[in-house]
Amino acid sequence: DSGVTQTPKHLITATGQRVTLRCSPRSGDLSVYWYQQSLDQGLQFLIQYYNGEERAKGNILERFSAQQFPDLHSELNLSSLELGDSALYFCASSEKQGPYNEQFFGPGTRLTVL
Amino acid sequence: GNSVTQMEGPVTLSEEAFLTINCTYTATGYPSLFWYVQYPGEGLQLLLKATKADDKGSNKGFEATYRKETTSFHLEKGSVQVSDSAVYFCALSDQHSGAGSYQLTFGKGTKLSVIP
Repeated sequence: DSGVTQTPKHLITATGQRVTLRCSPRSGDLSVYWYQQSLDQGLQFLIQYYNGEERAKGNILERFSAQQFPDLHSELNLSSLELGDSALYFCASSEKQGPYNEQFFGPGTRLTVL
Repeated sequence: GNSVTQMEGPVTLSEEAFLTINCTYTATGYPSLFWYVQYPGEGLQLLLKATKADDKGSNKGFEATYRKETTSFHLEKGSVQVSDSAVYFCALSDQHSGAGSYQLTFGKGTKLSVIP
């Protein structure tokens, strides 16, 4: 158990809908990262927050957004869903920023868009 | 940009066989290098890491050496067990856009199956 929790574990929805994925980082971790894992694209970095502020964006679509709240939990919002958005979405957290800081991954949310 | 290339799987080995999973990288700066492991139905776990050239990371019998001259970080284990069956990801951490922020760039993953 990494200490990072993600809800829900599974999500099935239809095209055009909007969903929210939730992540609670390990106690004391200030950084939260979101990754998307799909069969064709592999694991891709989406976005990072540090202590409530957005720090970096990766390959995140404009239909997707995220935020980190004062209690440090984070939510990833996916809207106007398409079939191609079906994937595993991972949240990771780390104590600080920096190249040596280990990122701890949650179990993921599996999103299926029908 | 940064990229990680690792050998395509799946890899199937008999128990006690020697394992090598190749990983090479391209980075603009001086990255840290990682191997993560993903067991079925679970998230990724850090297996080992190396933060500078010639460092050797090791954990649970797995080893990898940071080779700057060949830009490689190959994963090895002398004797694999059935419990090592998982997907292995090579990754690098490098500064993102000069913002003081570091993200992981992953390889595609290599699925390892160990049979008794």
